[in-house]
Amino acid sequence: RKEVEQDPGPFNVPEGATVAFNCTYSNSASQSFFWYRQDCRKEPKLLMSVYSSGNEDGRFTAQLNRASQYISLLIRDSKLSDSATYLCVVNRGQAGTALIFGKGTTLSVSS
Amino acid sequence: GAVVSQHPSWVICKSGTSVKIECRSLDFQATTMFWYRQFPKQSLMLMATSNEGSKATYEQGVEKDKFLINHASLTLSTLTVTSAHPEDSSFYICSADRPNLQGYGYTFGSGTRLTVV
Repeated sequence: RKEVEQDPGPFNVPEGATVAFNCTYSNSASQSFFWYRQDCRKEPKLLMSVYSSGNEDGRFTAQLNRASQYISLLIRDSKLSDSATYLCVVNRGQAGTALIFGKGTTLSVSS
Repeated sequence: GAVVSQHPSWVICKSGTSVKIECRSLDFQATTMFWYRQFPKQSLMLMATSNEGSKATYEQGVEKDKFLINHASLTLSTLTVTSAHPEDSSFYICSADRPNLQGYGYTFGSGTRLTVV
């Protein structure tokens, strides 16, 4: 089983749509959880950390369920600029361990 | 937040030659660096964990004799792709377990795009 698994995508949505990405992870010892965004041929950029209580940053909402080892990202009111690949990322365990990336889900927002 | 400088940004080399990629921590001491590679339409795959002053820890399936990692100082980790072949063409990127300029997460270098011809 892969350490981090994501929806395969791609997701093609119109501007203004709400879209949700899901992710599961296999290592129950993981302590840190993130969503990264990667644009074509660039390094990944941190979108947001994910906390057990759930957290929101503008149009983006992230949820974490440790019991089911499930992470989600909700994007509301999609913009053309949201088009990118979204990577679900967890660490291997205690602080300072390597980040493990999911394969990513590609989002394409059209006008 | 931390900054990691990675060089070169891109490199084209001939089959059989070796290529060295450098990652420098500019404003902090990095006892640990992580090296990843990314093939087209794939995600970042962890290759190895680089520890200052000791041997790197390689992921299963990564040839340690082909991908030489040296972390001789607290500010520099290098990855050398030896006897490169076209199948080694990929995007290589390093990371340190320090918050980025925004103050959270890990800090990544800008990546090196290697093309072996």
